[in-house]
Amino acid sequence: AQKITQTQPGMFVQEKEAVTLDCTYDTSDPSYGLFWYKQPSSGEMIFLIYQGSYDQQNATEGRYSLNFQKARKSANLVISASQLGDSAMYFCAMRGPYNAGNMLTFGGGTRLMVKP
Amino acid sequence: KAGVTQTPRYLIKTRGQQVTLSCSPISGHRSVSWYQQTPGQGLQFLFEYFSETQRNKGNFPGRFSGRQFSNSRSEMNVSTLELGDSALYLCASSLQGARDQPQHFGDGTRLSIL
Repeated sequence: AQKITQTQPGMFVQEKEAVTLDCTYDTSDPSYGLFWYKQPSSGEMIFLIYQGSYDQQNATEGRYSLNFQKARKSANLVISASQLGDSAMYFCAMRGPYNAGNMLTFGGGTRLMVKP
Repeated sequence: KAGVTQTPRYLIKTRGQQVTLSCSPISGHRSVSWYQQTPGQGLQFLFEYFSETQRNKGNFPGRFSGRQFSNSRSEMNVSTLELGDSALYLCASSLQGARDQPQHFGDGTRLSIL
């Protein structure tokens, strides 16, 4: 069974500073994918970044980067130069092997609040 | 390109009733998944449909069911509603076979049970 753990229920960050959101995972499958989503108060889940288990380099997408440490089973999201619009819930999710289809297992989420 | 469309956005029902939620995926996406989000249990996978067939199912009672039509649109049905079914129901679509492609979510249907 797969499990995602996000240990930070809530975090504050000053505008324009960088912030790291933690995510650890547990799986026995050698092939998996890790995703980060942002959920504003409106409810929509917005895809941010993806990391495959066999990817050699850490993923980056604009201000988002993923600190992937496979041996430690961690996939932390780094947001650089925080903006007020970054205030939202952030979810780490894992997709399993091919026979599990597209099912995602989510962590409990981290609420990020950006202070002006 | 239109995103995932879920209808209705809000729904109020009473215990014992049944409800049907609808999801139209992004054009060309044949996989549709449903998730339930509650404050207590977080985001939980309900089921996934691909080419009108249920491919995977989460740990939910049989009151929760779904189907997918030939145009990839999907519906989920909850019968004999309980107070605990109050939740945000999210639908997501994705490309088949592209493992690095994310699931794209709709805005959700917020279901309240009185």
